Amino acid sequence: AQKITQTQPGMFVQEKEAVTLDCTYDTSDQSYGLFWYKQPSSGEMIFLIYQGSYDEQNATEGRYSLNFQKARKSANLVISASQLGDSAMYFCAMRGLDGSSNTGKLIFGQGTTLQVKP
Amino acid sequence: GAGVSQSPSNKVTEKGKDVELRCDPISGHTALYWYRQSLGQGLEFLIYFQGNSAPDKSGLPSDRFSAERTGGSVSTLTIQRTQQEDSAVYLCASTRSAGWTSGYEQYFGPGTRLTVT
Repeated sequence: AQKITQTQPGMFVQEKEAVTLDCTYDTSDQSYGLFWYKQPSSGEMIFLIYQGSYDEQNATEGRYSLNFQKARKSANLVISASQLGDSAMYFCAMRGLDGSSNTGKLIFGQGTTLQVKP
Repeated sequence: GAGVSQSPSNKVTEKGKDVELRCDPISGHTALYWYRQSLGQGLEFLIYFQGNSAPDKSGLPSDRFSAERTGGSVSTLTIQRTQQEDSAVYLCASTRSAGWTSGYEQYFGPGTRLTVT
């Protein structure tokens, strides 16, 4: 079975500093995808970044980067130069084969609440 | 272009009543998902539709839950005889392809907040 673990229920970061949100995963699949989503207090889920299991380089999208360590099964999100608008819940998710199923459904972690302090 | 839309945004219903939640995916997206977000369970997959294929209903919590997708576009999630534990935010997402080798992210709608009293 696939599982995503986010061990940090809440995090604080000072504005303009970098912050790392942890994510570890468990899967027996050889091919899978890892995603990070942001959920502000308004509730919408906003896609941030994607890492494929065969991608050799860490994914980056603007101020977001994904520190992918395949052997350790971790996919930490790094946010550089934090902004007040980054305050939100952040979810790590995985998509992979689920037995013989190829639905592409996402398995989510429990989320990390990030608060950026001015 | 337009994103995923859901209606209603909020729904309060009495225990035992049936409710219907609607999702309009992004035009051209072949795959559609329903998820449920609740305090105790986090985000859970409910059901998946891909084109004309049989849906994957493996995440539906009970037979009170059902969903349809008409014409490969709009989807309706129906909860019969609602219970208080059904209170949650129901999120719909769509993507161009469900292929696991692709990086196609799922685009989420704003959700429907269901409260069962």
